[in-house]
Amino acid sequence: TQLLEQSPQFLSIQEGENLTVYCNSSSVFSSLQWYRQEPGEGPVLLVTVVTGGEVKKLKRLTFQFGDARKDSSLHITAAQPGDTGLYLCAGAEGVLPSIQGAQKLVFGQGTRLTINP
Amino acid sequence: NAGVTQTPKFQVLKTGQSMTLQCAQDMNHEYMSWYRQDPGMGLRLIHYSVGAGITDQGEVPNGYNVSRSTTEDFPLRLLSAAPSQTSVYFCASSYSQGGGYTFGSGTRLTVV
Repeated sequence: TQLLEQSPQFLSIQEGENLTVYCNSSSVFSSLQWYRQEPGEGPVLLVTVVTGGEVKKLKRLTFQFGDARKDSSLHITAAQPGDTGLYLCAGAEGVLPSIQGAQKLVFGQGTRLTINP
Repeated sequence: NAGVTQTPKFQVLKTGQSMTLQCAQDMNHEYMSWYRQDPGMGLRLIHYSVGAGITDQGEVPNGYNVSRSTTEDFPLRLLSAAPSQTSVYFCASSYSQGGGYTFGSGTRLTVV
């Protein structure tokens, strides 16, 4: 199983500041996903990036997949208290070679983000 | 459209008891997975399935069994509960390989 390392693990900033969360691996993933999780709930998918170098924007959130498809970043512009939560990256890796394309998802340990008013 | 439904939401077991965590999805997704979430450790894959009748182990399979007799259901069975299995368990499903997963709201399990 390939490992995903997220940094920082904890981040507390003031409303209006910018921030970047990183997700790194020594291995290549076929795709990478970002999730956000609120207390007492399951993770909710924010974005999937597939192509090396791909950049996707979701309002104030910008997601980038590294050229070599080993790393990804999440940048939040002008953070708001509503952005508070646990952010998880997850990489898709191939399994069961006998079943073409079958993949499973492995997660990083998460970044707990707190935006203070 | 209910998505992914997990039951129960909370459970307390005594050491050595067995139980089944239920997971059902109504989206006709082929891919389903069970994860456990512990503080500071993100989500760790227990077992996964790529279709009815096809399952495999994830990172932390010991003490757990799964079966997938239908596309909709993917129950997780704890054979003999141990305090180390105290955790929050999430079931998730996806429509395609590498596609985004839809998660249930979780089962909080305490083993005493």
